[in-house]
Amino acid sequence: EAGVVQSPRYKIIEKKQPVAFWCNPISGHNTLYWYLQNLGQGPELLIRYENEEAVDDSQLPKDRFSAERLKGVDSTLKIQPAELGDSAVYLCASSLEGGEGHYEQYFGPGTRLTVT
Amino acid sequence: AQSVTQLDSHVSVSEGTPVLLRCNYSSSYSPSLFWYVQHPNKGLQLLLKYTSAATLVKGINGFEAEFKKSETSFHLTKPSAHMSDAAEYFCVVSESNDMRFGAGTRLTVKP
Repeated sequence: EAGVVQSPRYKIIEKKQPVAFWCNPISGHNTLYWYLQNLGQGPELLIRYENEEAVDDSQLPKDRFSAERLKGVDSTLKIQPAELGDSAVYLCASSLEGGEGHYEQYFGPGTRLTVT
Repeated sequence: AQSVTQLDSHVSVSEGTPVLLRCNYSSSYSPSLFWYVQHPNKGLQLLLKYTSAATLVKGINGFEAEFKKSETSFHLTKPSAHMSDAAEYFCVVSESNDMRFGAGTRLTVKP
């Protein structure tokens, strides 16, 4: 079974430039998550989708971050414009079911963003 | 809201000796608890999970953890460390699919 796929793996951009990350979840997983992981810290949730609906985006900085999950499968996370403090690893994860279930989340390898 | 505290940012053991990574949690409900491992430049991998069944949970690669409600703890153990166990370990508490990660514990294994 293929795991969660993310691209690119690494991205270096100058501040004020836009950047986009792509995630393809495990086939059949209806719930998709985007996390931010700063160096030396644990992942923090940015947004959670159940199918194509964003059910939790309370931690997404909406002035510069946006996300979409068209057709409830793959997803794109965008930053525009990027700031120096956005340098981090962006992780995507997927699971079988949201709501009250406690289903294991499967993580992709992440995209390491460096803003110069 | 739920939260988790990993009591050690760095643990160093010798190969073949026991491993203990400590985790305390805070939750208003009956939480699910997880341990994930992250090797350099690799994705997070689930080691084990507790979801209100047996309090002693066995995971992959010889790891296990015990849920102690009275102590609000979920410590991770392994009887004998292997060089390949060197990695970052995250304790996670989940309520209603909202997962909160600890800051992580870096495990170093000396030959």
